[in-house]
Amino acid sequence: AQSVTQLDSHVSVSEGTPVLLRCNYSSSYSPSLFWYVQHPNKGLQLLLKYTSAATLVKGINGFEAEFKKSETSFHLTKPSAHMSDAAEYFCVVRVYTGGFKTIFGAGTRLFVKA
Amino acid sequence: EAQVTQNPRYLITVTGKKLTVTCSQNMNHEYMSWYRQDPGLGLRQIYYSMNVEVTDKGDVPEGYKVSRKEKRNFPLILESPSPNQTSLYFCASSLSPDLEAFFGQGTRLTVV
Repeated sequence: AQSVTQLDSHVSVSEGTPVLLRCNYSSSYSPSLFWYVQHPNKGLQLLLKYTSAATLVKGINGFEAEFKKSETSFHLTKPSAHMSDAAEYFCVVRVYTGGFKTIFGAGTRLFVKA
Repeated sequence: EAQVTQNPRYLITVTGKKLTVTCSQNMNHEYMSWYRQDPGLGLRQIYYSMNVEVTDKGDVPEGYKVSRKEKRNFPLILESPSPNQTSLYFCASSLSPDLEAFFGQGTRLTVV
C-alpha cells in the first residue's frame, strides 16, 4: 500500500532562519513526489517535483527537496524563511498501480515569526 | 489564461438533494481529479480520469459520481448528499499524471 507521512503537523520558525518540513513515503512502486503549498483561502500551488531525475530538486521561492530512496524521505528545506512563506505545505506521492493514484500527506502548517 | 474553474465556490444544501459541482480546464489536459480536503487529513482523492470516458476510483469514492464526456469538463455529482460530505472540494488537471497538477480555487460544500 502507498502512504505519505508528514512528520510535523505544525512548524514554527523565526524569519531569516532555515525551514525543514519532513516527509516520509511508502510505496511498492517508483513514485513521483511533489510538494505543494496552500495559502489561506487559496488553491494549491506546486513548489517542486521529483520524477526520477536529479535527487536534489530545486523549486520556486528558494525551496528545495532531496529524494533519499534509502530513507524513503523527501524533506522540504529553505535556507531563510520569509513571512510570506507562512502557509500549509503538502507532500504528495503519485504512483501507477494500474491507474494513477495521488496520495496527499496530512499537511504541515508553517508559522513564521517576525 | 490557463486555469481550472470550479463552480460554485460556495454551496449550502440539504440532505438528499442531488447536486453537481462543475470543473472545467482550458489547457487540453488529459488527467483530471477530484479531491476533498478535511482538517488534519490533507486532500483525499475521490475520483480521477485519464481521458474522455475513462474514470477510476480514488481513495474515497463512496457517495460520489463523475463523468468525463468531454476533455475539458469533469463534473462531480452527489446523488444524495449527506452531512459527512461537508468539505472543501478541489478539482485538478494535468497534462499527464507525472506532471504538475493545476488546481481550481475550491468549492466549500455544506450539507445540513
